Amino acid sequence: DTGVSQDPRHKITKRGQNVTFRCDPISEHNRLYWYRQTLGQGPEFLTYFQNEAQLEKSRLLSDRFSAERPKGSFSTLEIQRTEQGDSAMYLCASSSTQRTLGYEQYFGPGTRLTVT
Amino acid sequence: GENVEQHPSTLSVQEGDSAVIKCTYSDSASNYFPWYKQELGKRPQLIIDIRSNVGEKKDQRIAVTLNKTAKHFSLHITETQPEDSAVYFCAPMGSNFGNEKLTFGTGTRLTIIP
Repeated sequence: DTGVSQDPRHKITKRGQNVTFRCDPISEHNRLYWYRQTLGQGPEFLTYFQNEAQLEKSRLLSDRFSAERPKGSFSTLEIQRTEQGDSAMYLCASSSTQRTLGYEQYFGPGTRLTVT
Repeated sequence: GENVEQHPSTLSVQEGDSAVIKCTYSDSASNYFPWYKQELGKRPQLIIDIRSNVGEKKDQRIAVTLNKTAKHFSLHITETQPEDSAVYFCAPMGSNFGNEKLTFGTGTRLTIIP
């Protein structure tokens, strides 16, 4: 499968615990995005990277959230001291800045987080 | 930031009829206008997009039209089929290349009645 992959697909955790999600983008893509989607809503932008540089963070991304893309390939999103309001689907997407590869964003299957 | 609204929020259409969903945005700098389809429990999938220098684009049964002056664009689906049932999101963007952040609309749940 050469598409965007995410791991784990589901995560159940207790309030106050830390969780980490991983995203592997399409290999030729240099941009990687994180979005969050709650039930009945559209995805909301959290942050994005070009290679290893984090270029923008949403105000939605509180201090408890941190994202990294250390080698410009896969990315991790960590949530510290989880709260029930963090329960959502966390979606990753990737795209290219090269015209020959197209600029569209392709989404992974998401990680569904449930905080109990 | 960008304010994006979709209408209608729900739409039921007889199989074979056409469906139209409208997206209104606020940022006049928006230059890239994609539509995503999301089936229940699945990832959003890009189905069609248009850039600001084009007024209309068609791909088989799907078309998108853009009115940049009025700041709205619409998704048109003709000859609807049961597999078109899904939630559709517009996601206008400021970049002309579609590789910056997407601001998703509120979504339209489309149901095709057999």
